[in-house]
Amino acid sequence: GENVEQHPSTLSVQEGDSAVIKCTYSDSASNYFPWYKQELGKRPQLIIDIRSNVGEKKDQRIAVTLNKTAKHFSLHITETQPEDSAVYFCAVALNTGTASKLTFGTGTRLQVTL
Amino acid sequence: NAGVTQTPKFQVLKTGQSMTLQCAQDMNHEYMSWYRQDPGMGLRLIHYSVGAGITDQGEVPNGYNVSRSTTEDFPLRLLSAAPSQTSVYFCATQREGQWEQYFGPGTRLTVT
Repeated sequence: GENVEQHPSTLSVQEGDSAVIKCTYSDSASNYFPWYKQELGKRPQLIIDIRSNVGEKKDQRIAVTLNKTAKHFSLHITETQPEDSAVYFCAVALNTGTASKLTFGTGTRLQVTL
Repeated sequence: NAGVTQTPKFQVLKTGQSMTLQCAQDMNHEYMSWYRQDPGMGLRLIHYSVGAGITDQGEVPNGYNVSRSTTEDFPLRLLSAAPSQTSVYFCATQREGQWEQYFGPGTRLTVT
């Protein structure tokens, strides 16, 4: 089955700095790569996703890049703010037109300090 | 429009007891899934459904049963609870033709 590795497990940045979280996956057929943000005691919330026919996608301060050849993708957060502090999960799926069966990474705890 | 709801929010069971975790959605999404989240780990897929009457296993299905009699509801049954099933359980929904999954608020289950 699919194997997803996520690094780093914890990340501390100063407010205003950038944060980068990286994930690698094993199944070259995978074609869907979402990122979720989870605050303490809350549900995972989809913040951005990318499909395999796209190399980069940006939404305001958040961007995701995908390198299919190397089988890795990254989340970039610029101008970090205290409210960005949370656990971030990458996920991978092979979407064949039915339910996305997501395989998650183990999460990155991001702390944005003042 | 409540979106995805899960009940109960918290539950404590003794080993060997059975119970059903409820998931309901009012978005008319065709696909529904159950995930569990253990400390320090990502979510893992238990079972999923692509429509009423159709279910299939995910990565960690042992010890759990599901059924989908309506589009709105997708209950998860624990047949004989074990301490290894202590976890937070999330239900997720997905609209047919779209790839995004949206999660419910979760149920925190403790088995003693």
